Amino acid sequence: EAGVTQSPTHLIKTRGQQATLRCSPISGHTSVYWYQQALGLGLQFLLWYDEGEERNRGNFPPRFSGRQFPNYSSELNVNALELEDSALYLCASSRSRTGNTDTQYFGPGTRLTVL
Amino acid sequence: QKEVEQNSGPLSVPEGAIASLNCTYSDRGSQSFFWYRQYSGKSPELIMFIYSNGDKEDGRFTAQLNKASQYVSLLIRDSQPSDSATYLCAVNPPNQGAQKLVFGQGTRLTINP
Repeated sequence: EAGVTQSPTHLIKTRGQQATLRCSPISGHTSVYWYQQALGLGLQFLLWYDEGEERNRGNFPPRFSGRQFPNYSSELNVNALELEDSALYLCASSRSRTGNTDTQYFGPGTRLTVL
Repeated sequence: QKEVEQNSGPLSVPEGAIASLNCTYSDRGSQSFFWYRQYSGKSPELIMFIYSNGDKEDGRFTAQLNKASQYVSLLIRDSQPSDSATYLCAVNPPNQGAQKLVFGQGTRLTINP
């Protein structure tokens, strides 16, 4: 069974530009989560999508947005990039949003560097 | 107070010994607890999850949960150099929407041959 995939592996942008990151969940998983892991700050929850809807959002400004497509893949968009947006962006997926917190499985991440 | 706290380490343990990693959380109503391992430059991989008080064993790993004291720990028996990594504790706090995980800063573990 293929795991969570993310693209691109690395992304270099300049301040003020927009970045688009993509994620494909494990087959059969409907929930997709985005996390930011900046140096020294740990993993910070960004967004959760399930069945095409945004279900929860972390403490990030509106220039962080995303969407989930009918095939459950997801896209994270970061507008007006700032230097402090440089981080590893991790996508995770899980089966569903029902019952107990379902186990989240992580993709390899996209390393975003803002110059 | 941080929602999830871990000793950042580094924690050094000799090969073959037991490594003990601890995590405390602030929200008493938290129900789900996870341990992830993250090698340098890689993404987190799930080691174990635990929902009920007590111990849960899986191979060389044992997770321990004490909801009254609000801590969860991970024991690694017969530590191997390949266990050297950062270990992340994650908690699902109540009233923040199911499926939102709050992570600790991670404990860096080094197993010395």
